[in-house]
Amino acid sequence: AQSVTQLGSHVSVSEGALVLLRCNYSSSVPPYLFWYVQYPNQGLQLLLKYTSAATLVKGINGFEAEFKKSETSFHLTKPSAHMSDAAEYFCAVSPDRGSTLGRLYFGRGTQLTVWP
Amino acid sequence: DTEVTQTPKHLVMGMTNKKSLKCEQHMGHRAMYWYKQKAKKPPELMFVYSYEKLSINESVPSRFSPECPNSSLLNLHLHALQPEDSALYLCASSQPGQLDEKLFFGSGTQLSVL
Repeated sequence: AQSVTQLGSHVSVSEGALVLLRCNYSSSVPPYLFWYVQYPNQGLQLLLKYTSAATLVKGINGFEAEFKKSETSFHLTKPSAHMSDAAEYFCAVSPDRGSTLGRLYFGRGTQLTVWP
Repeated sequence: DTEVTQTPKHLVMGMTNKKSLKCEQHMGHRAMYWYKQKAKKPPELMFVYSYEKLSINESVPSRFSPECPNSSLLNLHLHALQPEDSALYLCASSQPGQLDEKLFFGSGTQLSVL
């Protein structure tokens, strides 16, 4: 079964600092991978997704993630944190390739705190 | 319109009540989903409807009964729930098979079972 593991349930950075949120996947076949953000009392918003095209994926709000097969990783980064980035971030995997990508299995989440 | 609308936003019900959660989208998406999210936990898939047919049931107890009356609407009927069913229920939709398929989430219904 495919799954993702997010290392670190809480990450704190200063405003303007690099953001690095870690995600590792377990799958014999490179899966489709996603990063979602959830603000308090809201649904989830897609930041970016990897679907076996370019290994460096650029998303919204200045985020990007790099798929590294050798490390089975899909870490999320942003060069300079902003206060508005404070939220819960979920890495997710879809076992469905070529059909619906909405069947997602999420990591446990990482709460990002940004200090002024 | 790129919204998934869920009603109600908040719901409190007793264990003997029957209630329904509603979800609506007008993006022409033909796949719709129910996810359950307990506090401080990731969302967990419950059901998937594809072209108005139930395609996936993730071993959800029968006290949760989904319904997809048409391509724009998705309901979740609740009966004899337990307090541990209290959670945020998220609806989502997507268009299967699109090269750039994206999952759109609603803001959820916060359910409390007393």
